[in-house]
Amino acid sequence: EAQVTQNPRYLITVTGKKLTVTCSQNMNHEYMSWYRQDPGLGLRQIYYSMNVEVTDKGDVPEGYKVSRKEKRNFPLILESPSPNQTSLYFCASSLRGGDTDTQYFGPGTRLTVL
Amino acid sequence: KNEVEQSPQNLTAQEGEFITINCSYSVGISALHWLQQHPGGGIVSLFMLSSGKKKHGRLIATINIQEKHSSLHITASHPRDSAVYICAVGPLGGGADGLTFGKGTHLIIQP
Repeated sequence: EAQVTQNPRYLITVTGKKLTVTCSQNMNHEYMSWYRQDPGLGLRQIYYSMNVEVTDKGDVPEGYKVSRKEKRNFPLILESPSPNQTSLYFCASSLRGGDTDTQYFGPGTRLTVL
Repeated sequence: KNEVEQSPQNLTAQEGEFITINCSYSVGISALHWLQQHPGGGIVSLFMLSSGKKKHGRLIATINIQEKHSSLHITASHPRDSAVYICAVGPLGGGADGLTFGKGTHLIIQP
């Protein structure tokens, strides 16, 4: 089954404790992206990757890091989480570009930083 | 950066009603996406269109490029259509920047 998986689905952590949210897709997609969703603000792009070893900042990259060492995986790293990073996070992938290809979304990760 | 406005923000209707959700954007686009987010949180792509009209079951999406406007219609609405519907646009000329999203329309269909 074609899918995007994210782990964990729910996470409660404390300020400053490094964490990683994993994202994996099995569709051989080149493009992958991370979004956060906050009430009243909608979805906003954090980072995206056009292919292996090619990543770039989205609209709200501060406090986040990503890597793309393999085509299928695109982990999101919070080196020192803060309460303003409490949010619902989505990973997405598409065949090539982020604009003219159908996007496939992961199930979401609800993160709470205390 | 494109500005994407959706209306209405909230919509409550009775089962069977014809539903229309609107999306307007400020500058030219490569494509427009309609997404559906169910209460559980998962997001599903419904349509991607750059001109004209697309239909899938009871859902119809239209776009008017000149007016920078798109509509999502639901015919014979059902309680299972209750969800947040999100419009998103891609920049003209393509590119890696990805999508700009509207804030969503929260739809409730009452039995």
